Amino acid sequence: AAGVIQSPRHLIKEKRETATLKCYPIPRHDTVYWYQQGPGQDPQFLISFYEKMQSDKGSIPDRFSAQQFSDYHSELNMSSLELGDSALYFCASSFNTDQETQYFGPGTRLLVL
Amino acid sequence: AQTVTQSQPEMSVQEAETVTLSCTYDTSESDYYLFWYKQPPSRQMILVIRQEAYKQQNATENRFSVNFQKAAKSFSLKISDSQLGDAAMYFCAFTTGNQFYFGTGTSLTVIP
Repeated sequence: AAGVIQSPRHLIKEKRETATLKCYPIPRHDTVYWYQQGPGQDPQFLISFYEKMQSDKGSIPDRFSAQQFSDYHSELNMSSLELGDSALYFCASSFNTDQETQYFGPGTRLLVL
Repeated sequence: AQTVTQSQPEMSVQEAETVTLSCTYDTSESDYYLFWYKQPPSRQMILVIRQEAYKQQNATENRFSVNFQKAAKSFSLKISDSQLGDAAMYFCAFTTGNQFYFGTGTSLTVIP
């Protein structure tokens, strides 16, 4: 079965650079969520989108922005990167009739040097 | 506020034995959903099992089952006939329908 696709899988950036992470949800899933998992931490919710509109917002820094496109894929844009942004970034998707169950992608490992 | 607590940072189990991972949560909501996710060394988040709060019957998925005690706000995961491939970090998660709240995880070691 098709799963959530995230790209890139690994990303190395320097401080103050920008990064764009992409997420392609499971086909027919219309809701996308972004999570940040620091080393040894549990995943922390950043933001979610339903039908291209922001549906919920968590601990997303102002330096980050995200959007969902007409094909339901989503992009997380991160600017002025800091060392503390180094983490595993998960995207998850769900379908509106079963919005409670989220299926996670493999994650993007971001390392900020 | 919703909180999820996993009080066992580490657990170990002998292969083929049974282990129970604990999870408690706090919420004022009456309609919610609980999950256990497994995160192996690859760090992929894999859904193990799900429980709807309105259901009294405990969820079961093959060797994985839960003990859901709504009044006590407890949601433990039992793994029967443990296998080497069960070794991973296990996260308990809670949602009312949007964002997930995760516990801090329990690292499970399976001893051959």
